Amino acid sequence: KQEVTQIPAALSVPEGENLVLNCSFTDSAIYNLQWFRQDPGKGLTSLLLIQSSQREQTSGRLNASLDKSSGRSTLYIAASQPGDSATYLCAVVITGANSKLTFGKGITLSVRP
Amino acid sequence: DGGITQSPKYLFRKEGQNVTLSCEQNLNHDAMYWYRQDPGQGLRLIYYSQIVNDFQKGDIAEGYSVSREKKESFPLTVTSAQKNPTAFYLCASSISRDDDYTFGSGTRLTVV
Repeated sequence: KQEVTQIPAALSVPEGENLVLNCSFTDSAIYNLQWFRQDPGKGLTSLLLIQSSQREQTSGRLNASLDKSSGRSTLYIAASQPGDSATYLCAVVITGANSKLTFGKGITLSVRP
Repeated sequence: DGGITQSPKYLFRKEGQNVTLSCEQNLNHDAMYWYRQDPGQGLRLIYYSQIVNDFQKGDIAEGYSVSREKKESFPLTVTSAQKNPTAFYLCASSISRDDDYTFGSGTRLTVV
């Protein structure tokens, strides 16, 4: 069974800092990996999708990397801002007929002004 | 604008009642999903549907039912058999299981 782990559960950084959020998964047979953002009481917003054949994706100040062989992904946030404060979730879709999106528990990020 | 609409935003259920959560999308996506989110537990899959008139159980389907009579709609019924229904429910859709997922804004269900 695929398990997705995100450690630590919470992170607090000062504004302007570059930071890395980590995600690990147990089964390397994945179709893709997706990073989401969730604000309190809200739905999820897709940030970046990395297909299994890709190594990274970039959008603005965000860069996500994927290393299937080691079962790891990182989300890099450059020059963090208070508006980046949210919970960041990593999710993978494994290969197979009944593949579905499996989530980690998320990392709650607080960026201090 | 295309997107997913979940309603209502807040829902209160009395003991023994069935309630239905609405999920509608105008993205022309084939696949739709229902997730439950509890504090500290992450998102868990309840049911999913890859095409109209077909759906499969997810990891925690007991006490829930769904239908997929139209491509745009995937309602979730929380039955009285679900003993701990208080949670945040999220609906999502995608072109296929391998593509980008789009989520709705969620329904918060509380048992009173």
